[in-house]
Parts: sequence; C-alpha cells; structure tokens
Amino acid sequence: NAGVTQTPKFQVLKTGQSMTLQCAQDMNHEYMSWYRQDPGMGLRLIHYSVGAGITDQGEVPNGYNVSRSTTEDFPLRLLSAAPSQTSVYFCASNSGLNSYNEQFFGPGTRLTVL
Amino acid sequence: AQTVTQSQPEMSVQEAETVTLSCTYDTSESDYYLFWYKQPPSRQMILVIRQEAYKQQNATENRFSVNFQKAAKSFSLKISDSQLGDAAMYFCAYRSDLNSGGSNYKLTFGKGTLLTVNP
Repeated sequence: NAGVTQTPKFQVLKTGQSMTLQCAQDMNHEYMSWYRQDPGMGLRLIHYSVGAGITDQGEVPNGYNVSRSTTEDFPLRLLSAAPSQTSVYFCASNSGLNSYNEQFFGPGTRLTVL
Repeated sequence: AQTVTQSQPEMSVQEAETVTLSCTYDTSESDYYLFWYKQPPSRQMILVIRQEAYKQQNATENRFSVNFQKAAKSFSLKISDSQLGDAAMYFCAYRSDLNSGGSNYKLTFGKGTLLTVNP
C-alpha cells in the first residue's frame, strides 16, 4: 500500500491564482480530512469527508472547497489564493472501523502564495 | 472547545539521557483519546503513542511512555535512552469525535515542542 499520497510536494502561487491540491489513499478508508500547519502552530482542520459525496467544514474552511467523488480521492481547491493561505497542507484518512481508528497522514504539500 | 497547550517551545537532551515533554489540555468530556505525534524534518506526521482516558494505566511503546494525569488534565511524554533519530518536533493532540461512536473525529494539536538531541 502507498498509504496517503499528496501532490504536489511544493507549490508557489501568485495572489488570485487557483489550484487544486491532490490527495489519494489506497486503504479504502471512509474518512478523509485536510489540515493546515502554519509556522509555530499545530495542525488545524480545514474540511473533512465521511464518505463519497459527503463533506463538511472544519475549523478554518474559508477560502477552500472540497469534493469527494470517490472513496480514494479528496482534492482541496483554492479558488483565489491569498498570502494568508501560505502553509503546509496535510491530508489524512482513517477507517472508522475500530476504537483505535488511527489517522494516517500524507507527506504534506508546502504552498507559498506571493 | 478543546484546547491543547505545550508550554515548552524547545527542549534539548543528551544522547542516551531521558527527557520529558509537557502537555496540558482542556476538555469537559470524560472519555477521550490523547496522542503524541513526531514530525521530523521530512514533515511526515508519525504517531508515537496514544492514551485512552478511561484507562488508568499509562501507555508505553518501547522507549516512549506517558504520564497521564486525568484530574490535572496533563499528558506528558517521556523519552528514555534518547537517540539522535528522536530529534524532531513533537505534537500533543486531543481527539474530538465528530459523530457518536468516534468513527469520525478531528485532532486538535498543541503548538509543538522542538526536541534537539545532542551527541
């Protein structure tokens, strides 16, 4: 299993540009999440999904859109990038099947908005 | 809302020595999970150890152990026989269930403690 994969690893955008951060998992997990990590901070939840076709907002959803058309993929869209969205973005997934229900994280995408 | 506080932005330890990283949290729930994650320079988030609040016994994973004080809402991580590979940012995290049964949840993280291991 590749686990949770994210592309790209690095990205530089100009203010106002749009882009999609890709996330995929091959563990057949129902639950997927996007977090952002700002300097000197822990991760904060942006959006999450409880299955294909179902998404919801986390703590810091403004400026981001998500969709979940398949179990495997959970892309994060920035419609009009702003410097405040400069951050490292992590995708995570978990099965929901047992009490441990560990969240597995991808390697992250470092995004810089100029 | 739950909050997680790590009061030590940086810590250092000599190789082979023991170090303790502190974490406190605030919650009104009686049953929950706590975690320590390690983030090396590669940025990968690696689960180090977990603790279920209803368990009295402190969790242990090889050289890593926790001191869980539920009444004090304290959850410290002890690393014994520190190794150079332990150098990383360490995050304490609290699990908040987003549905009953806990199949879906979010993690609330502290700001992290940067651990340096000196040879």
